[in-house]
This record gives sequence, structure tokens and C-alpha cells, in this order.
Amino acid sequence: NAGVMQNPRHLVRRRGQEARLRCSPMKGHSHVYWYRQLPEEGLKFMVYLQKENIIDESGMPKERFSAEFPKEGPSILRIQQVVRGDSAAYFCASSPTSGGSYEQYFGPGTRLTVT
Amino acid sequence: DAKTTQPPSMDCAEGRAANLPCNHSTISGNEYVYWYRQIHSQGPQYIIHGLKNNETNEMASLIITEDRKSSTLILPHATLRDTAVYYCIVSLNNNDMRFGAGTRLTVKP
Repeated sequence: NAGVMQNPRHLVRRRGQEARLRCSPMKGHSHVYWYRQLPEEGLKFMVYLQKENIIDESGMPKERFSAEFPKEGPSILRIQQVVRGDSAAYFCASSPTSGGSYEQYFGPGTRLTVT
Repeated sequence: DAKTTQPPSMDCAEGRAANLPCNHSTISGNEYVYWYRQIHSQGPQYIIHGLKNNETNEMASLIITEDRKSSTLILPHATLRDTAVYYCIVSLNNNDMRFGAGTRLTVKP
């Protein structure tokens, strides 16, 4: 059973370009979470999605960032017009459902570098 | 914002037990205590979680005080590969994970 997959693992973008980060949850998992980790800092929650629905986006910056989890295919975190401050590791996690007795399974992350 | 307080760093000798404390004095009755760790720059790894009772699995033990205001993660025989940042998280649902700064555990030979 493959774990959470993220691609690309490393992404380099110039300022002003768009970045698309993909996350394929574990088989059977319909809940996806995105986190951002700045260098030398802890993980910060960004957004929680279920299939075709955004449940909680309280951690998402108001502009330039968006996320989706379509009925078919991976979840996508999209960053438009990237700036140097967007350089970070972006982690995706999945779980089979919500509820306190279930843990999140994390992917290996995508390291975004904005030049 | 994290609802937990952890020491920023700890050392442990290889082969000895590592006891990582966590304070969560504002925990509510239905909130779980979760522990994750992050080795170097990898994705966080789930360790264990509990509600009221102590828990044990193949990785660690979780001791929760009777008033639930604090807990301790125990790695019974720490190895060099256990060097990581350990995060204690309190959450009602697993969809509301707020990571704090964690404890950087260094296991020394």
C-alpha cells in the first residue's frame, strides 16, 4: 500500500511564475491536509479538503494561494505569482476520515525555491 | 496556535529511555493528545495518540496524567535514528493539527 505521494519533490520557480504542487493521498483516504514549513520553523496548517470540498482554509494566505481536491486525481496546491517568501517545504497529509481516533499520514514534501 | 508547551531541546544517551514531556493545561475533555516526529527534513511521522488512558505501541509509550494536563512520550531504548524533532499536539479531531515548535531530541552515542 503506497504511502502519500507528492510531486515534484523539488521545484524551482522564478519570481512571478506559478507553482503547482501535487499530492496523491493513500489509497482509501478522502481527507487531505496541506502544511507549510519555513526554514528552521515548525509546520503551519494551511488547508483541509475532502473530495471536491474545501473544509477549512483558515491557514491559507488570502491571495495567490488556492487548493483543490477533485473527484478524480490528486490534490493540487497552486501558488500564483510566487515571491521569495514562498520558498518553503510544503507537506501534504491524508487520513481515511476525520475524528480524533485517526492519525494523519504525511508525504515526503515538496521543496519550493523561488529565485 | 499550539495548545502545548514542550522544552525546545533534550539529549539522551543511546540505549537509554528518552522521556519527552508536554504540558497541555487547557486541554478539553474530548481532545486527544497526538505525538509526531520529524527526522531531519522528512515528512512528519505519526508515533502515538491517546485520550485518557496510557497507550503503548511498537514505537513508544504515552503516559497521560490523571488530570490530563500533561503527558510524557517514552522511547524505551533510544537509538541514533530517533534523533528528531518531536511534536506534541492536542486536537479534538485529526483535521485540526496545530504543530508547535516541538522538542529537538538528540540521541548521543
